[in-house]
Amino acid sequence: QKEVEQNSGPLSVPEGAIASLNCTYSDRGSQSFFWYRQYSGKSPELIMFIYSNGDKEDGRFTAQLNKASQYVSLLIRDSQPSDSATYLCAGFFGGAQKLVFGQGTRLTINP
Amino acid sequence: DVKVTQSSRYLVKRTGEKVFLECVQDMDHENMFWYRQDPGLGLRLIYFSYDVKMKEKGDIPEGYSVSREKKERFSLILESASTNQTSMYLCASSQVGGGRPYEQYFGPGTRLTVT
Repeated sequence: QKEVEQNSGPLSVPEGAIASLNCTYSDRGSQSFFWYRQYSGKSPELIMFIYSNGDKEDGRFTAQLNKASQYVSLLIRDSQPSDSATYLCAGFFGGAQKLVFGQGTRLTINP
Repeated sequence: DVKVTQSSRYLVKRTGEKVFLECVQDMDHENMFWYRQDPGLGLRLIYFSYDVKMKEKGDIPEGYSVSREKKERFSLILESASTNQTSMYLCASSQVGGGRPYEQYFGPGTRLTVT
């Protein structure tokens, strides 16, 4: 069973600080990961996609993938109250185009 | 812009009823998915379809069936609704090609309550 694990939180971070969200996975064969953000009552929307070892930056967001240690993380710099949401990590395990989602981490940015 | 629409935002049904949830996407995507989302359990895949009339079971298909008669439309059917099927149901679609995974685009969700 391929699994993606996240700490459900809640994670509380002061405004302006760096929020760090982590995700581990069980299958070394996984090649690609997606980070989605989901506001309360809304559907998930894509933030980042990463498939290579190392860092990928997009504005205030940085995704990090470490295939040897089987973890992927999302860093949010200069956190804003509007970043308060649940963040979902999803892994692509090849074959059919399915994603396996973690449970999600609820993030709260405190003004 | 990709648009995925779902037939209802909120639905209340009685135990034993047959329930149809409809999903339509306008981007000519090959793949379509049905998930349910429950607190603490994340998104769980019920069924997905990679082509018209093609379907595959996801992780929790029991009590559900699907239909994909046209490329843009993917329906989820609860044959006999039960209270444990009260949940948020999310439809998604994605393109395929190039041997790489593509982003899934989600609809707004249907919150189903079975009483």
